[in-house]
Amino acid sequence: DTGVSQDPRHKITKRGQNVTFRCDPISEHNRLYWYRQTLGQGPEFLTYFQNEAQLEKSRLLSDRFSAERPKGSFSTLEIQRTEQGDSAMYLCASSLLGATNEKLFFGSGTQLSVL
Amino acid sequence: TQLLEQSPQFLSIQEGENLTVYCNSSSVFSSLQWYRQEPGEGPVLLVTVVTGGEVKKLKRLTFQFGDARKDSSLHITAAQPGDTGLYLCAGVRLGNTPLVFGKGTRLSVIA
Repeated sequence: DTGVSQDPRHKITKRGQNVTFRCDPISEHNRLYWYRQTLGQGPEFLTYFQNEAQLEKSRLLSDRFSAERPKGSFSTLEIQRTEQGDSAMYLCASSLLGATNEKLFFGSGTQLSVL
Repeated sequence: TQLLEQSPQFLSIQEGENLTVYCNSSSVFSSLQWYRQEPGEGPVLLVTVVTGGEVKKLKRLTFQFGDARKDSSLHITAAQPGDTGLYLCAGVRLGNTPLVFGKGTRLSVIA
């Protein structure tokens, strides 16, 4: 088990471009979360999946953001028409539903810079 | 309004000193977790507290959950440079909502 893997680690893009990030969770984990973290802040919840079903999306998540987990394994987060305010660390975490006191295991994140 | 307020925001101490950081809320949580995060990495879970009044120890770190399950504290004894990092508290509110995080306390331990 190599833990939660995120790709790419860094992404620099120009305003208006689309970007897509990938997250590979721990293999037996059925829950997958996306968080966003800006400098000086804690992680902010974006959305989460249980298997392939997207169960909740933050009200802060604009319609330019979309996430998928097509086969209940890896997940992608796409941001369309990026804006400078989208610059942040995008963190993925996975967990095992049903385990006592759900524990989230985070990846190293994708650092997005929008120029 | 931040659901979980952490204090202090920054803390710089000498090696060997003791410190306490706080996590407070007006909401009740079914559980609270503490994470440590290093630059360029994701948070790593340190501990989960579930029962009001619960105290857990992890080597030199002592975690306490408030009796009313609205607050928590982290006490570090004889801090070492390796303790340097961002300490985040995170809670699950009643109803099994997704984990919400505080802004964190950035600790720097100087040798």
